[in-house]
Amino acid sequence: DAGVIQSPRHEVTEMGQEVTLRCKPISGHDYLFWYRQTMMRGLELLIYFNNNVPIDDSGMPEDRFSAKMPNASFSTLKIQPSEPRDSAVYFCASSLGGSSPLHFGNGTRLTVT
Amino acid sequence: AQTVTQSQPEMSVQEAETVTLSCTYDTSENNYYLFWYKQPPSRQMILVIRQEAYKQQNATENRFSVNFQKAAKSFSLKISDSQLGDTAMYFCAFMKRSNAGNMLTFGGGTRLMVKP
Repeated sequence: DAGVIQSPRHEVTEMGQEVTLRCKPISGHDYLFWYRQTMMRGLELLIYFNNNVPIDDSGMPEDRFSAKMPNASFSTLKIQPSEPRDSAVYFCASSLGGSSPLHFGNGTRLTVT
Repeated sequence: AQTVTQSQPEMSVQEAETVTLSCTYDTSENNYYLFWYKQPPSRQMILVIRQEAYKQQNATENRFSVNFQKAAKSFSLKISDSQLGDTAMYFCAFMKRSNAGNMLTFGGGTRLMVKP
């Protein structure tokens, strides 16, 4: 099992540019989560999907953020336009649901200058 | 809403000694799960140990064990025979038992340094 795969590992972009982060969950996992990690706010849940359907997006900071899951093996988190305060590590995680633990990818470190 | 508090931002321990990391949480739920995750400098989030709230017995995984006090809403992690590779950020996390999803709520983390 390859685990949760995220790309890119690092992303540096200029303010105002569009950024797309990608995630491939573990095969067979029905739940997919996007978390953001910053020094100030720690690990925050942005959005999660069940069977490709967004269930709770209350953590998405504003309309500049959007997430999609077109199929069971792929999800994207898009920021348009990006701002310096979006700089953070973005994690994708997947799970089988129920009491199963979340399995995390290695994260994408985003720097917006 | 659930909250998770880790009151120790940083800790250090000598190699081969034992260290305990604290975690408290606040919830009105009766059925839930608690986790400890480790985040080494590589940034990867690694599951260390898990506890079901309905089980009185404390979970153990090799050198890692927990002290779960449900009434006190406390969930501490004990690392025995500390190794240099245990140096990492440690996060306590809460999961509500729900059919609607199993998202984790994390504490702020404790940075642990194991000294040779």
